[in-house]
Amino acid sequence: SYELTQTPSVSVSPGQTVMISCSGDALPIQYAYWYQQKPGQAPLLVIYKDSERPSGIPERFSGSSSGTEVTLTISGVQAEDEADYYCQSTDNSGTYVAFGGGTKLTVL
Amino acid sequence: QVQLQESGPGLVKPSETLSLTCTVSGGSITTYYWSWIRQSPGKGLEWIGYIYYTGSTDYNPSLKGRVTMSVDTSNDQFSLILTSVTAADTAVYYCARRPPGYYSNYGKTYYYHYMDVWGKGATVTVSS
Repeated sequence: SYELTQTPSVSVSPGQTVMISCSGDALPIQYAYWYQQKPGQAPLLVIYKDSERPSGIPERFSGSSSGTEVTLTISGVQAEDEADYYCQSTDNSGTYVAFGGGTKLTVL
Repeated sequence: QVQLQESGPGLVKPSETLSLTCTVSGGSITTYYWSWIRQSPGKGLEWIGYIYYTGSTDYNPSLKGRVTMSVDTSNDQFSLILTSVTAADTAVYYCARRPPGYYSNYGKTYYYHYMDVWGKGATVTVSS
């Protein structure tokens, strides 16, 4: 199986910038995707193809990639951004889909 | 706007078969890949597999042998069957849409795997 590793939790004050990272051996050749999940809700796609933002997602959400690590950045964090964030990608073969363990973002 | 809705029994006995259906509304089931993902209580997301509208499938190896997916294009539905369930299969089961598309990297072709539309989820408990 293929593993993506995320920091379990991060906290930030409103208005600050937070970076959530995800590491995996295949990330240099496979795109990463990011989902936001609030309690009791389904995941919501916030970043696809490493850095592209779906329609309707605020500009404060951005993504980047460098080697075996991808990063979700939320600039000017708002209280409504408090949620679990999951990265997702595939292994080197492009067949096996993996999710990271999730990062719980707490807005202080 | 495309919407997905999971349906099926909320309680399944151990060793029996879990069966869920996802109904696609507001759009066609053709052209896209259709996914099942689950989330055990308090845990992260686990990919179960995909089915293309043509019927071709790809399953998580950890569940292979127990999973079968099918698609009904005439009714814009796709289904999940998971056999020989145990308490470890208790989870919220989500269906989701995966857009088609591919890219090339280092001379190889890979497919996009993001899921852009999700159902609200169906809670399935395995218990006697």
